[in-house]
Order: sequence, then C-alpha cells, then structure tokens
Amino acid sequence: NAGVMQNPRHLVRRRGQEARLRCSPMKGHSHVYWYRQLPEEGLKFMVYLQKENIIDESGMPKERFSAEFPKEGPSILRIQQVVRGDSAAYFCASSPPGLAGSGTDTQYFGPGTRLTVL
Amino acid sequence: AQKITQTQPGMFVQEKEAVTLDCTYDTSDPSYGLFWYKQPSSGEMIFLIYQGSYDQQNATEGRYSLNFQKARKSANLVISASQLGDSAMYFCAMREGSAGNNRKLIWGLGTSLAVNP
Repeated sequence: NAGVMQNPRHLVRRRGQEARLRCSPMKGHSHVYWYRQLPEEGLKFMVYLQKENIIDESGMPKERFSAEFPKEGPSILRIQQVVRGDSAAYFCASSPPGLAGSGTDTQYFGPGTRLTVL
Repeated sequence: AQKITQTQPGMFVQEKEAVTLDCTYDTSDPSYGLFWYKQPSSGEMIFLIYQGSYDQQNATEGRYSLNFQKARKSANLVISASQLGDSAMYFCAMREGSAGNNRKLIWGLGTSLAVNP
C-alpha cells in the first residue's frame, strides 16, 4: 500500500513564477491536508480538503495561494507570483474517512516538497 | 500563546538507554488528540503515536510510549532502548475538539534528539 506521494520533491522557482505542488493521498484516504514548514520551525496548517471541497482554509494566506482536490487526480497546492518568503518545505498529509476525535483521523505525511525561490 | 510547548530544543541520550521528550499543551476543549511525529534528517514526517483525551490508558507503540498526565496537560514521549536510528527531530502536535470539520494539527517547535553510540 503506497504511502502519500508528493511531487516534485524539490522545486526551484524565480520570483514572480508559479509553483504547483502535487499530492496523491494514501489509497482509501479521502481527506487531504497541506502544511508549511519554515526552517527551524514546526509545521503550520494551511488547508484541509475533501474531494471537490475545501473544508478549512484558515491557514492559507489570503493572496497568491490556492488549493484544490478534484474528483479525479491529485490535490494541487498552487502558489502564484512566488516570493523569497515562500521558500519552505510543503507537506501533504492524508487521513481515512471517519470521525474526528478518534485515532482513525491520524494524518500520514508525504515526503514533502522543498520549494526554493531565487 | 503557544498551544504546544516543547521546552527541550536538543537532547542527548546514550544508545540503549531510555529518553523522555517533553510536551505540554494548552486547550480548553475537553476533547482533543495528541500526536507525536519523527522527522529524520531526510525530511519526511513519520507518525509515531496517538493519545486521545478520553483514553483511559497511556498509549504504547513498540518502543514508544506516551506519558499522558491530563491534569498537568502534558504528553511526554518516552523512547525505550534508544537506537542510533532514533536520532531525529521529534514533534508533538494536537488536534482540538472532535467536531467533524476541525482536523488541523497544531505543532510544537520540536526537539532534536541525538543518540550517542
């Protein structure tokens, strides 16, 4: 059973370009989460999605960032007009369908995408 | 205010000994979940152990156990019989509440563990 897949693992962009990060959840998982980790820091929640729905985007910056989880295909985190401050590791996690408040909502993480903005 | 506090930026332990990594949390919600993750130098985030606020017993997973003291709001990770491969960053995280759509994890800053041979 493959784990959470993320690609690319490393992404280099110049200021002003767009970054598209992809995440395929574990088989059977219907919940996807995106987190950002700045150097020497813990993770910060960005967004929680289910298929075709954004459930919680309270951690997403208001501008330039968007996320989707279409009916078919991977979840995409899109950053438009990147700036140097966007340089970070972006982690995707997934969890199975089930009630929050139980251990079944444990989030399993992908290997991350390390974005470097020049 | 920090919701998850890990007071030990770095820890050392001798191989084969046990080590405790501290985590305190702050929440007014009676229902919550606590998680520990390991991040080795390769960068991936590996789930270790989960403790629910209503669980009667402390969680255990192999060499990992969670010393859950609810009144003190602490959820310390205990690693027994340390191995060289345990050298990594360790993060404590919390999910507040059990409402269906509240699943975001709040993270501490982590503790760097070095296991000495």
